[in-house]
Amino acid sequence: AQKVTQAQTEISVVEKEDVTLDCVYETRDTTYYLFWYKQPPSGELVFLIRRNSFDEQNEISGRYSWNFQKSTSSFNFTITASQVVDSAVYFCALSDVTGGGNKLTFGTGTQLKVEL
Amino acid sequence: DVKVTQSSRYLVKRTGEKVFLECVQDMDHENMFWYRQDPGLGLRLIYFSYDVKMKEKGDIPEGYSVSREKKERFSLILESASTNQTSMYLCASSFPDGRGANQPQHFGDGTRLSIL
Repeated sequence: AQKVTQAQTEISVVEKEDVTLDCVYETRDTTYYLFWYKQPPSGELVFLIRRNSFDEQNEISGRYSWNFQKSTSSFNFTITASQVVDSAVYFCALSDVTGGGNKLTFGTGTQLKVEL
Repeated sequence: DVKVTQSSRYLVKRTGEKVFLECVQDMDHENMFWYRQDPGLGLRLIYFSYDVKMKEKGDIPEGYSVSREKKERFSLILESASTNQTSMYLCASSFPDGRGANQPQHFGDGTRLSIL
């Protein structure tokens, strides 16, 4: 069975601090995909990034960066110079590629609060 | 932009009622999903559908059913609502894997359902 662990339930930082959200996953599949979603207070989950299991290159998009390490089964997310608008719940998710459907297993989420 | 629309943001129903939650997407996605989100548990998959009139159980289907009569619409049905079904319900849609590597799911704003 697949599992995603986000051990950090809540993180509080002051604006402009860097923050890293941890994600550890378990799967027996050799091919899989990892995702990060952001859920602002409005409720809608917003897709941030998708990474496949064969691509271990780190990715940077503006203030966001992702570190994928297959050896430790981790896919961590770093926000540089955090802003109040980054306050949200962030979910890491792992896909099940069997059967042709992209079912997702979600972690329990990390609530990020960025204060002035 | 993909638009996934859930019929209600907030809904209050009574124990024993039959409850319908509606979801419509405008991107011709084959896959549609229903999740419930509870504090400390993340998102859990209730049911999903690969195509019209097709449905598959997710991780927590008990007490729920679904209907997919048209490609753009996926309904979640609580046959006899109970207080433990009070939750946030999220609908999502996506293309299947055949249209490219594990397409991300796009989510609606959610329906916060209270069963009294």
